[in-house]
Amino acid sequence: AQKITQTQPGMFVQEKEAVTLDCTYDTSDQSYGLFWYKQPSSGEMIFLIYQGSYDEQNATEGRYSLNFQKARKSANLVISASQLGDSAMYFCAMREIAVRSYNTDKLIFGTGTRLQVFP
Amino acid sequence: DAGVIQSPRHEVTEMGQEVTLRCKPISGHNSLFWYRQTMMRGLELLIYFNNNVPIDDSGMPEDRFSAKMPNASFSTLKIQPSEPRDSAVYFCASSLRLAGGGDTQYFGPGTRLTVL
Repeated sequence: AQKITQTQPGMFVQEKEAVTLDCTYDTSDQSYGLFWYKQPSSGEMIFLIYQGSYDEQNATEGRYSLNFQKARKSANLVISASQLGDSAMYFCAMREIAVRSYNTDKLIFGTGTRLQVFP
Repeated sequence: DAGVIQSPRHEVTEMGQEVTLRCKPISGHNSLFWYRQTMMRGLELLIYFNNNVPIDDSGMPEDRFSAKMPNASFSTLKIQPSEPRDSAVYFCASSLRLAGGGDTQYFGPGTRLTVL
């Protein structure tokens, strides 16, 4: 069965510093996608970044990058130049990619990491 | 562009009452998902639709929960009768499923349900 593990319940980082949020996953599938979502205190879930298992390069979106290490089954989120507004819960999620199976649309979420950015 | 719209944003009700949560997906998206988030269980998928057809409802907790999608722009999640343990944040998400598989899911703001 698929599983996402986020081992850091909470992280602190000083403003303007970089921070890495850990995510490891377990799957027997060859094709899958990895996602990171941000949930600020207001409660909404905001999509940040996506990495496909066959993507050769690590995904980047502005200050967000995904450190994808397929052999280690890890997909860590790196936030560069942290800002106070980055304080939030961060969720890692995984989805299978199989063209003909609708069940692959399911997202499996980790338990999240609460990031606090201080001045 | 409008994102996923959910209503109400907050709902407080008494045990035994019927609760209906509403969702309007992003225009053009063909997959819709209902999730529940609690402190104890995290984010759980309840049900999802593709082209208005329920594909997987294995996450629906019990018969008190039902979901419908009468057209491409509207879905409801109904709890009848509601119980205090149903208190949670309910999210609706939508995505565009192409021939190559599902795309990124975009979430609505959620409905915070409190059952007294």
